[in-house]
Amino acid sequence: DGGITQSPKYLFRKEGQNVTLSCEQNLNHDAMYWYRQDPGQGLRLIYYSQIVNDFQKGDIAEGYSVSREKKESFPLTVTSAQKNPTAFYLCASSMIGRGADTQYFGPGTRLTVL
Amino acid sequence: GNSVTQMEGPVTLSEEAFLTINCTYTATGYPSLFWYVQYPGEGLQLLLKATKADDKGSNKGFEATYRKETTSFHLEKGSVQVSDSAVYFCALISITGTASKLTFGTGTRLQVTL
Repeated sequence: DGGITQSPKYLFRKEGQNVTLSCEQNLNHDAMYWYRQDPGQGLRLIYYSQIVNDFQKGDIAEGYSVSREKKESFPLTVTSAQKNPTAFYLCASSMIGRGADTQYFGPGTRLTVL
Repeated sequence: GNSVTQMEGPVTLSEEAFLTINCTYTATGYPSLFWYVQYPGEGLQLLLKATKADDKGSNKGFEATYRKETTSFHLEKGSVQVSDSAVYFCALISITGTASKLTFGTGTRLQVTL
């Protein structure tokens, strides 16, 4: 089955610690994305990557970092500089070019900072 | 910039009732439009999409028509079921380089009761 996996589903961390969220896809998509969802709000774009070893900031990149060493993987690190990290994080992927007009989402990771 | 406005929820309906969730957008040009659905504790699933004016997207009994004149993409279903209870997000897409950027509405929670 092709799809996007995110792990873990729930993550708890102490304030001040960095934490890395995993995202893997086997859809052979070139582009990958990270979104943040807060209660009662839509999704906001954190970072995206169109190709291996390249990525761009989205609307709310401060306090986050990413890497794209493999086409299948796009991990997100929530650093201690992120002032309000508790949220639901969603990873997505898409083809590029004309196929970029549809993004497919993973199941999400709920991060709680204590 | 781009924006999407959805009717506020929650929307509570009895099973077999008719559903309308309003969505209007502001964008440059004529972007593709989407409805995504999020079931409790899960990621987003693409429900339907429309890529140009007067297109009708449909899936699982849900429909939405791309109305350029009114910049709207209202979601409708003739007879809702309890299993349709979820949060529904309207979104538009803009192409950024070879990737894409989704702009979401804030979501509308639908609760269907027996």
